[in-house]
Amino acid sequence: TQLLEQSPQFLSIQEGENLTVYCNSSSVFSSLQWYRQEPGEGPVLLVTVVTGGEVKKLKRLTFQFGDARKDSSLHITAAQPGDTGLYLCAGLDNYGQNFVFGPGTRLSVLP
Amino acid sequence: DAGVIQSPRHEVTEMGQEVTLRCKPISGHDYLFWYRQTMMRGLELLIYFNNNVPIDDSGMPEDRFSAKMPNASFSTLKIQPSEPRDSAVYFCASSTVTLGGETQYFGPGTRLLVL
Repeated sequence: TQLLEQSPQFLSIQEGENLTVYCNSSSVFSSLQWYRQEPGEGPVLLVTVVTGGEVKKLKRLTFQFGDARKDSSLHITAAQPGDTGLYLCAGLDNYGQNFVFGPGTRLSVLP
Repeated sequence: DAGVIQSPRHEVTEMGQEVTLRCKPISGHDYLFWYRQTMMRGLELLIYFNNNVPIDDSGMPEDRFSAKMPNASFSTLKIQPSEPRDSAVYFCASSTVTLGGETQYFGPGTRLLVL
């Protein structure tokens, strides 16, 4: 069974600070996605990464897929209260059969 | 586009009762996914369909759970009989591509409480 771990579990920071959250596994994934989920809503896809070492930027968010395709990171620059939410990573195994979510990092950005 | 529509948004029922959750995917999306989210287990894929055909139901927890997709615009997830441990938020999502693809859109979820 593929397992994704995320750290930290909780993160509370002040507006304007930078932060990085991590998604790790001992398994190789063919693709990895990051979602943000706000209370009472479904997850919203932020990015999909498929190539080892790939870096994608989405405004203040930078996503990186590890060279071995076992881990990923999400870096937020100058966090804003609107960034508050549950950040989930999800991965598809190399056989394209198992799709699993990590437990999430709950981010709170205080004004 | 209205996005993925789920109903009801909230459901409270008693143990032993039948529960039916409904989903209308985004028009033109060939894939439909049912997920369950709990604090203990996080977000889990239960089953997904491609062109109304179930492709993988290995995530369905027990025989009490069943899902159907009679046409391209409607799917149901049924629990019969329901148990308190089924309490969770159930999400439906649709996509133009299979798992791990770019365009998986989630509905707002149905919050189920089984007493």
